[in-house]
Amino acid sequence: NAGVTQTPKFQVLKTGQSMTLQCAQDMNHEYMSWYRQDPGMGLRLIHYSVGAGITDQGEVPNGYNVSRSTTEDFPLRLLSAAPSQTSVYFCASSYSGGADGYTFGSGTRLTVV
Amino acid sequence: RKEVEQDPGPFNVPEGATVAFNCTYSNSASQSFFWYRQDCRKEPKLLMSVYSSGNEDGRFTAQLNRASQYISLLIRDSKLSDSATYLCVVNMHNFNKFYFGSGTKLNVKP
Repeated sequence: NAGVTQTPKFQVLKTGQSMTLQCAQDMNHEYMSWYRQDPGMGLRLIHYSVGAGITDQGEVPNGYNVSRSTTEDFPLRLLSAAPSQTSVYFCASSYSGGADGYTFGSGTRLTVV
Repeated sequence: RKEVEQDPGPFNVPEGATVAFNCTYSNSASQSFFWYRQDCRKEPKLLMSVYSSGNEDGRFTAQLNRASQYISLLIRDSKLSDSATYLCVVNMHNFNKFYFGSGTKLNVKP
C-alpha cells in the first residue's frame, strides 16, 4: 500500500501564479483533509471532505479551492499564490474520521516568491 | 485564545528520564483526542489515542481530564529515539475537523 501520496514534494511559485497540489490515497478512506504547517502555528485545517462530492471549509480556507470527484483523490488548488501561502502542506486521510485519527502524506514544501 | 495549547518546550531530558507533557483545549464538547509524533521535516504520525479511562502503550501513557479540559502524555524511560515534536490533537465543533496544537519539542540526551 502506498498510503497517502502527495505531489510535488517541493515547489517554488511566483506571486500570482496558480497551481494544484495533488493528494491520492489507496486505502479507500472516506475522510480527507488538507493542512498547512507554519513555524509556531501548528497544523491548521484548510479544507476537508467526508466523501466524494462533499467538501467543507476549515480554519484557513481563503485562497484555496478543493474538489473531491473520486474517493481516492483530493487536490488542493491555489488560485493566485501569495507569499503568505509559503508553508508546508499536508494531506491526510481517515477511514472513520474521528475515531482512529488520520494518516498523513509526506508533505509539499511550497515557497511563494 | 488558541483552540489547543501546548508548551512549545524544548524539554531537554537525559536518557532514562520520565517526562510529561500537557495540552489544554478550549471546547468542552470535544469528543476525540490524540497524540501525534512528528520528526524533523517529516509528516505527523499517530502515536496514540486518548480515551476517557486513560490508556497505556508500553512506555507511553495518555490521560484525559475533561473537567479541567486537558490531556497529558507521559513517557517513561526516555530513549534517544523519542526525540521529536509531540502534537496534541482535538476534534472541535464536529466530528470531522481536527485541531492541532503547535507541538512540544522533546530532546533526549545521552
